[in-house]
Amino acid sequence: AQTVTQSQPEMSVQEAETVTLSCTYDTSESDYYLFWYKQPPSRQMILVIRQEAYKQQNATENRFSVNFQKAAKSFSLKISDSQLGDAAMYFCAYRMITGANSKLTFGKGITLSVRP
Amino acid sequence: KAGVTQTPRYLIKTRGQQVTLSCSPISGHRSVSWYQQTPGQGLQFLFEYFSETQRNKGNFPGRFSGRQFSNSRSEMNVSTLELGDSALYLCASSPNPFSYNSPLHFGNGTRLTVT
Repeated sequence: AQTVTQSQPEMSVQEAETVTLSCTYDTSESDYYLFWYKQPPSRQMILVIRQEAYKQQNATENRFSVNFQKAAKSFSLKISDSQLGDAAMYFCAYRMITGANSKLTFGKGITLSVRP
Repeated sequence: KAGVTQTPRYLIKTRGQQVTLSCSPISGHRSVSWYQQTPGQGLQFLFEYFSETQRNKGNFPGRFSGRQFSNSRSEMNVSTLELGDSALYLCASSPNPFSYNSPLHFGNGTRLTVT
């Protein structure tokens, strides 16, 4: 079974600085998708960034980028120029590309606070 | 385009009662998934529906059930409520189970409190 581990329950960053959130996963599949979702106090899960495992290039979305290390099964999220609105829970998630289902396996999440 | 709509936003029930939660997916999305979120267990997959059929089911007791209607709207039902069922229930939609590149779109959830 696939598992996703986020070992840091909380992190804090100064506004305008850079922070990296860690995620590791375990799977025997060779192709899959990885996601980072953000959950602000409004409770709605919002997609931050996604990465397909067969793509070597790390995904980037504006201030958000990932460091995808397939062999190490590591998928960290870097937030540059942190803003107060980035404060939220962040979840790393895995999706397999077989079985014709949309199931995501989530990590426990990390609470990010941003200091003004 | 309207997002995923979940109703109600909050529910308070008593142990032993049953509850029904509703989810309307994004227009054109035909796959609906349900997740339970608790502080202790995090986000856990409940089940997924596509074309009115349950495609996949998580490791939850039979008290948790769901269904999907022909317009893709979905409901989940929890019978004989227990205190441990208190959680945020999130619904997510996607075009279909084969659209692996499409992310799930989540609703704001229903906060269920069992007393």
